[in-house]
Amino acid sequence: AQSVSQHNHHVILSEAASLELGCNYSYGGTVNLFWYVQYPGQHLQLLLKYFSGDPLVKGIKGFEAEFIKSKFSFNLRKPSVQWSDTAEYFCAAGGGSYIPTFGRGTSLIVHP
Amino acid sequence: NAGVTQTPKFQVLKTGQSMTLQCAQDMNHNSMYWYRQDPGMGLRLIYYSASEGTTDKGEVPNGYNVSRLNKREFSLRLESAAPSQTSVYFCASKWRQKNTEAFFGQGTRLTVV
Repeated sequence: AQSVSQHNHHVILSEAASLELGCNYSYGGTVNLFWYVQYPGQHLQLLLKYFSGDPLVKGIKGFEAEFIKSKFSFNLRKPSVQWSDTAEYFCAAGGGSYIPTFGRGTSLIVHP
Repeated sequence: NAGVTQTPKFQVLKTGQSMTLQCAQDMNHNSMYWYRQDPGMGLRLIYYSASEGTTDKGEVPNGYNVSRLNKREFSLRLESAAPSQTSVYFCASKWRQKNTEAFFGQGTRLTVV
């Protein structure tokens, strides 16, 4: 069965610090991977996605993620976080006929 | 562009009451999903509909029923609400056989007292 695990449940950073959130997946077949962001009180919005090709994916707001097939990982990174990045971040797997499966989420708090 | 629309946005129920959460999408997607979001648990799948006319149980289906009314609409029903069903509910949709992401509604915050 497909599964997604996120290692960091709560992360607290100061502005301008670098961010890396871990995500590992267990999936049979061709995998599509996603990072979603949920700002306080809002719905999930797509940050970036990987389907195939270049394993380094760039998304909105300066975020990027790297797909490492040998490690079954899709970690999210941002070189310099801002206070406005305070949100919950979800890694997800699924694509085609597969049901989107989500990790438990990482709560990020950025102090100004 | 409306995308995925959920109603209501907020609801308070008494234990034992019933209600239906509505979801409609205007993107002509064939697959639709209901998730619940609880602190520290991420999004857990309640039910899904891979295509019009089909529905299947997800990870946490107990206490819920669904109806795929047509291609656009997928409703979630709580027949006898329990406090354990206090949660935020999200509806999502996507193309079933295309490599695309799921699109989410704004969510329904449900409290059962």
